[in-house]
Amino acid sequence: GDSVTQMEGPVTLSEEAFLTINCTYTATGYPSLFWYVQYPGEGLQLLLKATKADDKGSNKGFEATYRKETTSFHLEKGSVQVSDSAVYFCALPDTGRRALTFGSGTRLQVQP
Amino acid sequence: DSGVTQTPKHLITATGQRVTLRCSPRSGDLSVYWYQQSLDQGLQFLIHYYNGEERAKGNILERFSAQQFPDLHSELNLSSLELGDSALYFCASSVTTVPDTQYFGPGTRLTVL
Repeated sequence: GDSVTQMEGPVTLSEEAFLTINCTYTATGYPSLFWYVQYPGEGLQLLLKATKADDKGSNKGFEATYRKETTSFHLEKGSVQVSDSAVYFCALPDTGRRALTFGSGTRLQVQP
Repeated sequence: DSGVTQTPKHLITATGQRVTLRCSPRSGDLSVYWYQQSLDQGLQFLIHYYNGEERAKGNILERFSAQQFPDLHSELNLSSLELGDSALYFCASSVTTVPDTQYFGPGTRLTVL
């Protein structure tokens, strides 16, 4: 069935470092792809999305490009801040389009 | 603030008990989704309601049930609670019936002792 695979965490970076969190997907067709972020003690928030192949989603300095050739949707940010410390989830509509199916989440820790 | 509210924020109860979790969607959203987040299972889809009708079921146990009321708020009922039901329960709302952008509430943390 449709699914996403994320890189294992935690990812620990120093402030201003470059961030990449890998996400690959398996899907029938070309569904929308999402990145959600969960800050400590909060619910998930939509960070960005891409609705078709070659689309680039961006928000708050984060970017991800929908690449059908490599079935990937990697999350990147050029310069992370301590406030970016959170858990990041890659997601897509599940098989049958009933709900979103989420990756296992990648915890990012940014140190000052 | 997503506009989705959930109550209570925390719930501590004993095995065998029954609890009700409440969710109010964003204004104008007709869809409500319930998810369970646990350390070992990650985020799991439980059930989806649209405008008062059940639309899809995921990994929801028979001991769990839900409903969506005419004012569009939703309740998730968990009964005969077990230790393994301890988790964060999120609801999410959206405008459409298909799983596109969803707005999550802050969650209810359930602890079963």
